[in-house]
Amino acid sequence: EIVMTQSPATLSVSPGEVATLSCRASQTIGTNLAWYQQRPGQAPRLLVSGASTRATGVPARFSGNGSGTDFTLTISSLQSEDFAVYYCQQYDTWPPGFSFGPGTRVEIK
Amino acid sequence: QLQLQESGPALVKPSETLSLTCSVSGDSVITNSYYWGWLRQPPGRGLEWIGSIHFSGSSYYNRSLKSRASMSVDTSKNQFSLKLTSVTAADTAVYFCARQSTSGVVVVAADSWGQGTLVTVSS
Repeated sequence: EIVMTQSPATLSVSPGEVATLSCRASQTIGTNLAWYQQRPGQAPRLLVSGASTRATGVPARFSGNGSGTDFTLTISSLQSEDFAVYYCQQYDTWPPGFSFGPGTRVEIK
Repeated sequence: QLQLQESGPALVKPSETLSLTCSVSGDSVITNSYYWGWLRQPPGRGLEWIGSIHFSGSSYYNRSLKSRASMSVDTSKNQFSLKLTSVTAADTAVYFCARQSTSGVVVVAADSWGQGTLVTVSS
């Protein structure tokens, strides 16, 4: 079973600054990684798949990077709507399934 | 525009079966390009994948649920459903249905989600 970890658990950032979120897999997963954003009270929203390919309609300030076991999601120039929880998800073990990281909360500093 | 809407009882008694349906509009469940999935999120916690199904009937489930989960597709109603048997308080969560993109035979990511429905397991 591949275990996903994310750091930090909480990231305090001022609007307009850069946020860098980390995700690590317990074994290599190539680029089989997705990132999601979840605002309070809402469903998750897909941001990135294939470790670096933005989903339709996702602003360019979101960028994913990495391969193997270490991945990052960078949010440049944070906007108010970007304060949310971000989850990474690996799909290297499909079938039969995939797993999520515990999430990183990005909060206003 | 694709829309997914979960429906089902908000309260289920322990040891009973949780049943949820996801109604799909703006797309057909009959597609080779996508799987249809269920995920859940206990209050204040992270996301957990429950299972995914293809309109052909091919399905996969999270092994941690120990065969309690089953899914089906009703192509005539453009819906898919989840059943989770022998529920306990640990199954209390917001349940989401989602469309999951594929790359070849690999299910990749959930690119569209329902709003979610809170199901509480309590007597």
